[in-house]
Amino acid sequence: QSVLTQPPSASGTPGQRVTISCSGSSSNIGPNYVYWYRQLPGTAPKLLIYKTNQRPSGVPDRFSGSKSGTSASLAISGLRPEDEAEYYCAAWDDSLSGWGVFGTGTKVTVL
Amino acid sequence: EVQLVESGGGLVQPGGSLRLSCAASGFSFNNYWMSWVRQAPGKGPEWVANIKKDGSERYYVDSLRGRFTISRDNAKNSLYLQMNSLRADDTAVYYCARDSSRVVGATMDFDHWGQGILVTVSS
Repeated sequence: QSVLTQPPSASGTPGQRVTISCSGSSSNIGPNYVYWYRQLPGTAPKLLIYKTNQRPSGVPDRFSGSKSGTSASLAISGLRPEDEAEYYCAAWDDSLSGWGVFGTGTKVTVL
Repeated sequence: EVQLVESGGGLVQPGGSLRLSCAASGFSFNNYWMSWVRQAPGKGPEWVANIKKDGSERYYVDSLRGRFTISRDNAKNSLYLQMNSLRADDTAVYYCARDSSRVVGATMDFDHWGQGILVTVSS
């Protein structure tokens, strides 16, 4: 039931910059903050970006978030092997009575 | 240290019920919105429901409204998810997650997660 669309995969070599898109609508990304999570197999998602472009303490500045209209992006610069993981965007959706939505997920592979 | 520990999962037959619990510690539970998020095998996370600090507001994903009920007991620092009329497609790992409270109201800003509990619906 994901209403936030992400590319299924993205890849790059160490040191490169990778960008992941997240396409939403006027009821979710448009009026609300976007959040990004990284998930490794068998573990809970971990917050990477909050309030669209803010990093929690401990998250390196290689990770950056942005938003334009009803789409958002996560950029990973200086790609490292440990960045290989699944990445999800998320936002609150104001439609119906309000609900939370995650993106479809993007698997980042470090070549 | 913030800790969220889920319990109550397991194997249940289709049509059955289950109540998940999430024991919170290391923070003032009654100051935070809380959510349940589930993840079916091989799928991405799906937000299920959330509840306001004092329990006065609750939101659900539309597809589960009426079958699942979120609640909390601030005196016991506990979050619950009552799941009824369970179906095979409810099989998932269920996580409780704390909203950071950086923004007023319901958000998807989860700064702490439990380890997750597996619910399997099968005959």
